[in-house]
Amino acid sequence: DIQLTQSPSFLSASVGDRVTITCRASQDISSDLAWYQQKVGEAPKLLIYTASTLQSGVPSRFSGSGSGTEFTLTISSPQPEDSATYYCQQLYSYPFTFGPGTKVHVK
Amino acid sequence: QVQLVQSGAEVKKPGASVKVSCRASGYTFSSYYLHWVRQAPGQGLEWMGIIKGSGGSARLPQKLQGRVTMTRDTSTSTVYMELSSLRSEDTAMYYCVRDLLIGDKNLNGMDVWGQGTPVTVSS
Repeated sequence: DIQLTQSPSFLSASVGDRVTITCRASQDISSDLAWYQQKVGEAPKLLIYTASTLQSGVPSRFSGSGSGTEFTLTISSPQPEDSATYYCQQLYSYPFTFGPGTKVHVK
Repeated sequence: QVQLVQSGAEVKKPGASVKVSCRASGYTFSSYYLHWVRQAPGQGLEWMGIIKGSGGSARLPQKLQGRVTMTRDTSTSTVYMELSSLRSEDTAMYYCVRDLLIGDKNLNGMDVWGQGTPVTVSS
């Protein structure tokens, strides 16, 4: 199975700071990576697919980049409503594993 | 609008089975895959498998093979996930999620989530 790691596990940022989350895969997954945001008590929400494509309706302050084994999710100017846990997921090969998550607090 | 509506909360004893349903509406059921994802309390997301609306066998992770069965009923646009030999570690929120279809390419991500079905396994 392909393993995904995320760093950091937790981060605290101020409104307007730039936030970067890294997801690393245990093998080459091309660009078959998605990012999700999950707020407390809610189902996850798709933010980014194929590593860098913004899902419809997602604010443009979110962006994704990377290919192969290293990927990043960036929030260019985070807002308090961006406080959530963020997960990456690979869809390159079965099983479609998730990263362990990064909890982001924006104050 | 596109919607996935799941069955209600379940409480089961260890060793029992649970069957969760997910009814799709607002799109062409046979054109999309549906995933199942679960999340234990305070934990991360676990991908449980995938089934195509139009037919074919489900794909499951090895650790769940033998305990998970995924089926579909195209007449009602409903998919089912049955988990057997329940243990306390199966206590979780279970989600069905539609696969994201871009053009004719599947497996890009998961874009529409059901509301979740909480399953509690307790003696």
